[in-house]
Amino acid sequence: QKEVEQNSGPLSVPEGAIASLNCTYSDRGSQSFFWYRQYSGKSPELIMFIYSNGDKEDGRFTAQLNKASQYVSLLIRDSQPSDSATYLCAVIRGGSYIPTFGRGTSLIVHP
Amino acid sequence: DTGVSQDPRHKITKRGQNVTFRCDPISEHNRLYWYRQTLGQGPEFLTYFQNEAQLEKSRLLSDRFSAERPKGSFSTLEIQRTEQGDSAMYLCASSKGAEGGTQYFGPGTRLTVL
Repeated sequence: QKEVEQNSGPLSVPEGAIASLNCTYSDRGSQSFFWYRQYSGKSPELIMFIYSNGDKEDGRFTAQLNKASQYVSLLIRDSQPSDSATYLCAVIRGGSYIPTFGRGTSLIVHP
Repeated sequence: DTGVSQDPRHKITKRGQNVTFRCDPISEHNRLYWYRQTLGQGPEFLTYFQNEAQLEKSRLLSDRFSAERPKGSFSTLEIQRTEQGDSAMYLCASSKGAEGGTQYFGPGTRLTVL
C-alpha cells in the first residue's frame, strides 16, 4: 500500500462546477497536509495547507481533513479552465520536515 | 527574480557519464530538498539539507547519487555513471523555519540518459 494515495484521474468537470479531489494516507502519525498544483511541464506550487480536522477555505479552494478516516480533500468551487492541472497531495509525519507526495490527480475543466 | 533557480534546465547525456545539477534556493530559506519526478508520478524525495548539513537521504537512493550544500547556500546533485533509469525531472525546493511542507520549487532539470 502506497503511503499517500490519489486517484490519477483524469477528473473532468464542466466550467463553473465544483471539483472534488481526494487523498488518503496510511501513516496515522501524519500531522501536516498540503495541496500542490502542477501545470503540465511546470513545477509544483503550493495551494493550501491544513493541520487540523475540519475545513479550511481560501478563496475558491477548500481543504478538508479527517484524521480519523485518514483522508484529506480539496474542493475547487466555480472551476475554471485555468484550474486544469495535476493536483498533488503531500503529507508530513509529526516531527519530520519531509513530505510524501501522492501521484497526483489530473483535473480537466472543460468550457 | 528571488525564486528557486536550477541549472541546467535540460541535460542530455550518454549512459555511464557523470552529471551535476545546481540549485540556488530562496536566500533566507534554511532547508533545501531534492526530488525526482517521472511522468505520472509525484515528486519522490531524494535528500534534504538544513543549512549545510545533509540530514536525510532516501534509502532508495543509489550510492551513485551524492549531494552537497557548501556554506548552506546553493546545492549540487551529482549522479555518477548514469543509467537510462535515471532519466527524470530533478526538482529542487526550499523552505524555512517550521514550515517544512510549505516548499517553493525550482523549475527543475530534465535529465535524459541515452
